[in-house]
Amino acid sequence: GEDVEQSLFLSVREGDSSVINCTYTDSSSTYLYWYKQEPGAGLQLLTYIFSNMDMKQDQRLTVLLNKKDKHLSLRIADTQTGDSAIYFCAESIGTGGFKTIFGAGTRLFVKA
Amino acid sequence: DVKVTQSSRYLVKRTGEKVFLECVQDMDHENMFWYRQDPGLGLRLIYFSYDVKMKEKGDIPEGYSVSREKKERFSLILESASTNQTSMYLCASSFSAGGLQPEAFFGQGTRLTVV
Repeated sequence: GEDVEQSLFLSVREGDSSVINCTYTDSSSTYLYWYKQEPGAGLQLLTYIFSNMDMKQDQRLTVLLNKKDKHLSLRIADTQTGDSAIYFCAESIGTGGFKTIFGAGTRLFVKA
Repeated sequence: DVKVTQSSRYLVKRTGEKVFLECVQDMDHENMFWYRQDPGLGLRLIYFSYDVKMKEKGDIPEGYSVSREKKERFSLILESASTNQTSMYLCASSFSAGGLQPEAFFGQGTRLTVV
C-alpha cells in the first residue's frame, strides 16, 4: 500500500545542519513535498521536487531524492531557532493531483 | 496571496451534535480538500472536491459528509459528532494545471473537541 514514513523527533543545536529523512513506498509518485507547520498554524509548502530530479537547492534548503531507495531528505543549513516546527514529507501519486500521502511529521527542536 | 480561511480556530461540541466546519478560498481554485491531523498519524484525507457539487471520498470518510455549493466554499459536516472525531481539521485548496501536481494551500486549522 501507499505509505510515507519519517522519524517523529529531531533535536539540533543552533547553527548546525538539520537533516530530516523520509521514506515512501509508491514508486509512481510525481511530486514530493516538504511542508512546515509552525505552532498553531496550518501547513506551509517549504519546497518540492519533481520525481525525475535528484536534488533541489533553495537557499538554506537542500532536498535530495533517491528514487531507487524511495528516500527523500531535507537538509536545513545553519539551523535557527525559528526553524523549530513540524516538517511533513508528502508524495503525490499519479497525474490527477488528488492523491497526496503525508507522513506523520518530524518535530524539529532547535536548541539555542 | 492565496488565502484559505477556516471559520473557526477552536470549537467545542457535544457528542451527538451536528457540526459544520467551513472553509473558503479566494483564488478560484478548482480543488478543495479536508484533512484531519492526529499526532503520530500525519494528515489523513477525509473528502475532496474537484468542482462545484462534485465530491470524492478520501481515506477516512466514515462519519463525515461534505458540501460544495459554490466554488470558493467547501464545508465538512459531522452528522453526529463523536469523541473519536476530536482532532485538528485542515482545509486545503489547489488549482488544476493540466495534470501537473501543484502545491496545496492550507488553512490555519480548526481544533475540534467533542465532549
